[in-house]
Amino acid sequence: QQQVKQSPQSLIVQKGGISIINCAYENTAFDYFPWYQQFPGKGPALLIAIRPDVSEKKEGRFTISFNKSAKQFSLHIMDSQPGDSATYFCAASINSGYALNFGKGTSLLVTP
Amino acid sequence: ETGVTQSPTHLIKTRGQQVTLRCSSQSGHNTVSWYQQALGQGPQFIFQYYREEENGRGNFPPRFSGLQFPNYSSELNVNALELDDSALYLCASGSARLTGQKETQYFGPGTRLLVL
Repeated sequence: QQQVKQSPQSLIVQKGGISIINCAYENTAFDYFPWYQQFPGKGPALLIAIRPDVSEKKEGRFTISFNKSAKQFSLHIMDSQPGDSATYFCAASINSGYALNFGKGTSLLVTP
Repeated sequence: ETGVTQSPTHLIKTRGQQVTLRCSSQSGHNTVSWYQQALGQGPQFIFQYYREEENGRGNFPPRFSGLQFPNYSSELNVNALELDDSALYLCASGSARLTGQKETQYFGPGTRLLVL
């Protein structure tokens, strides 16, 4: 069964806007929550990751918000750019280098 | 670029055949994991190798097997191919410390397999 649920399936945002993608998980043993960005024909590339001991992590225009009690985490892309158009996957694992459980992905389109 | 390479980039096989996919890990990494990504889906964990031994497996049948070599390159073998095996196969390398703590995984570009 899907251990990580991701929404929305697709998202269209205007250039300069904020893109928000949400994920929820059930397994409380998960202790590592990365986001990957994937362009067509490429493998997933690590964007940003968080552990449950912090509620927010920011790297440039990308921010992860983490709500441990709700078992939810989200990716915010500020000042979205057309080059951000890609598929984004959230994931969760027990121990960062072990089996990653991925969401189904969100296809983001940033229009000029 | 992650430094993880995979070959071949594309492959076409027929049902019932066997296939071997290859991965070369990033320098300094000692774990390798394989994932299957069906079209429009997120990657699914197949298994992980550490110190040349299988170190965990996802919900995949035994006809999916692997090898990790001393130079940390790896192979994924799939026997008795089925139509549903058509997918992008990704390998990801990382490093494990002696304490067992593992570091972030980095993905290669994948091998796209089509089974006819």
